[in-house]
Amino acid sequence: EAGVAQSPRYKIIEKRQSVAFWCNPISGHATLYWYQQILGQGPKLLIQFQNNGVVDDSQLPKDRFSAERLKGVDSTLKIQPAKLEDSAVYLCASSLETRLSLHFGNGTRLTVT
Amino acid sequence: QQQVKQSPQSLIVQKGGISIINCAYENTAFDYFPWYQQFPGKGPALLIAIRPDVSEKKEGRFTISFNKSAKQFSLHIMDSQPGDSATYFCAATKGGTSYGKLTFGQGTILTVHP
Repeated sequence: EAGVAQSPRYKIIEKRQSVAFWCNPISGHATLYWYQQILGQGPKLLIQFQNNGVVDDSQLPKDRFSAERLKGVDSTLKIQPAKLEDSAVYLCASSLETRLSLHFGNGTRLTVT
Repeated sequence: QQQVKQSPQSLIVQKGGISIINCAYENTAFDYFPWYQQFPGKGPALLIAIRPDVSEKKEGRFTISFNKSAKQFSLHIMDSQPGDSATYFCAATKGGTSYGKLTFGQGTILTVHP
């Protein structure tokens, strides 16, 4: 099966600019997650979708981060305005609703200068 | 209470040796403990996982040991190979709809010398 697709692979922006990341999960996977992985740390969950509804966004900095999953398939994560501390790899993952294992994409590496 | 603490931060092992990575958790509501392997430029990939109703799980050269009373679990890689060189993350999560809401450890960079 095709894996989780993410784009772009790399993005460099200046602070206060905006940026968007795109994720296409594995076909049929109802649950989608966005994780933030700061260099040298483990991934941290930002938001969880079930189909096109938000299940948990308690760790999403809502003053600058937003995410949506239209039609329950693709998802976008947006940062506006970006801060230096947002430099990280943004990982998208998906899973079947009742399965335990997450399938991660290769991430988007964001550098904020 | 949501933390998962992982050690060591880095580990160097000779080919054929045993690699051991340890994790400790605080939240007793956690009931699923996966280990992920991550290569540079790639996303984490599930390696092996355990539930707290068993004390050990083995898959090939990879074994998880689980100590529920101590709230600790560890990954053992037997006969370590250069291809095992990667970053390893332990994680923990609660059941139900929260399975994908993983709390990760800080990661261990494993280097296996030939």
